Amino acid sequence: DQQVKQNSPSLSVQEGRISILNCDYTNSMFDYFLWYKKYPAEGPTFLISISSIKDKNEDGRFTVFLNKSAKHLSLHIVPSQPGDSAVYFCAAPTTDSWGKLQFGAGTQVVVTP
Amino acid sequence: DVKVTQSSRYLVKRTGEKVFLECVQDMDHENMFWYRQDPGLGLRLIYFSYDVKMKEKGDIPEGYSVSREKKERFSLILESASTNQTSMYLCASSVVGAANYGYTFGSGTRLTVV
Repeated sequence: DQQVKQNSPSLSVQEGRISILNCDYTNSMFDYFLWYKKYPAEGPTFLISISSIKDKNEDGRFTVFLNKSAKHLSLHIVPSQPGDSAVYFCAAPTTDSWGKLQFGAGTQVVVTP
Repeated sequence: DVKVTQSSRYLVKRTGEKVFLECVQDMDHENMFWYRQDPGLGLRLIYFSYDVKMKEKGDIPEGYSVSREKKERFSLILESASTNQTSMYLCASSVVGAANYGYTFGSGTRLTVV
């Protein structure tokens, strides 16, 4: 039962424009969320995170927004660059004692010139 | 630079073979994980280990086993490979209490079972 969902498998955006990636979750007990970025033939790398006590976290061109009432978060990339072309995974730690990460299905972003 | 190394980048195995995927980390991390990545399904946890000789099942452990005899090494074993185990396998490690959960992933092993 997937508790972290990314319903858009792909996104194409022009260089310089905004990319908006969406993530929904079903477990209201989740209190921390992360975004990972993955290039082909490489492992995922951490991009940005947000605690449930915040509704926004910004790091350079990347901003994550959290709407707890809607159980929804989004990642904004502004401006998008060709190097941003990758698969982006939304993740949340499980609420059991292990706190292991569970991931969404991922969104493939393609930034075109 | 911290590293998680997976022994093979690509593997092709026959149905019914016993397959070993090896993962080594040099960061003295307590936790190690095996995930598989499939299109439309994302990363799904197969097994994890929080200490030497300790292991816990993840979300999809059927058909797999693991071994952790040393802190730095975590092996994933496919007892009898099947075509539905064709996938990208990713190993990760983390230290307990790390900020942002501190997952470091290996580059992955693309396994094809024919």
